[in-house]
Amino acid sequence: AQRVTQPEKLLSVFKGAPVELKCNYSYSGSPELFWYVQYSRQRLQLLLRHISRESIKGFTADLNKGETSFHLKKPFAQEEDSAMYYCALQRPGYSTLTFGKGTMLLVSP
Amino acid sequence: NAGVTQTPKFQVLKTGQSMTLQCAQDMNHNSMYWYRQDPGMGLRLIYYSASEGTTDKGEVPNGYNVSRLNKREFSLRLESAAPSQTSVYFCASSSRDNYGYTFGSGTRLTVV
Repeated sequence: AQRVTQPEKLLSVFKGAPVELKCNYSYSGSPELFWYVQYSRQRLQLLLRHISRESIKGFTADLNKGETSFHLKKPFAQEEDSAMYYCALQRPGYSTLTFGKGTMLLVSP
Repeated sequence: NAGVTQTPKFQVLKTGQSMTLQCAQDMNHNSMYWYRQDPGMGLRLIYYSASEGTTDKGEVPNGYNVSRLNKREFSLRLESAAPSQTSVYFCASSSRDNYGYTFGSGTRLTVV
């Protein structure tokens, strides 16, 4: 069965510092991968997806098939980046997403 | 364009009571989902409906039932609520072109 692991429950950084939120997955095929973000008391929203190769709010994520990782990175964290971040995996041919347990990012001034 | 609308936003139930969580989307999405969010557990899939007329179990279906009433609406029913069902419930929908999910604002349910 597929699995998504986010090893850090909490990541605390200072404003302006680089950020890397880790995501590792286990799946034998070639999945689609996503990052979702949930700001305080708001609904989850899509941050970025691997297939788009996009950069949203300064965040990027690179798929490393050898290490089965999809880490989320930002060179300079901002206080408004403080939120819960979820990595999610979608198997080819399926519409359901499997989520990791999430990482809370706290950016201090 | 409301996206995904969930009702109610908050609910307190007594053990053994029943209730239905409502979800509606106006984006003409084919697939709809119900997840529960618990601290330290992330989001876990309860049930989903890949298309109108079909429903399937997810990771944690016990104690729940669902109805895909039409393409827009997908409800989640708790027949006999238990304290273990205290959680935040999210409904979501998606289209076939893999643009990801659109989530509702959630229902915070407490069972006492």
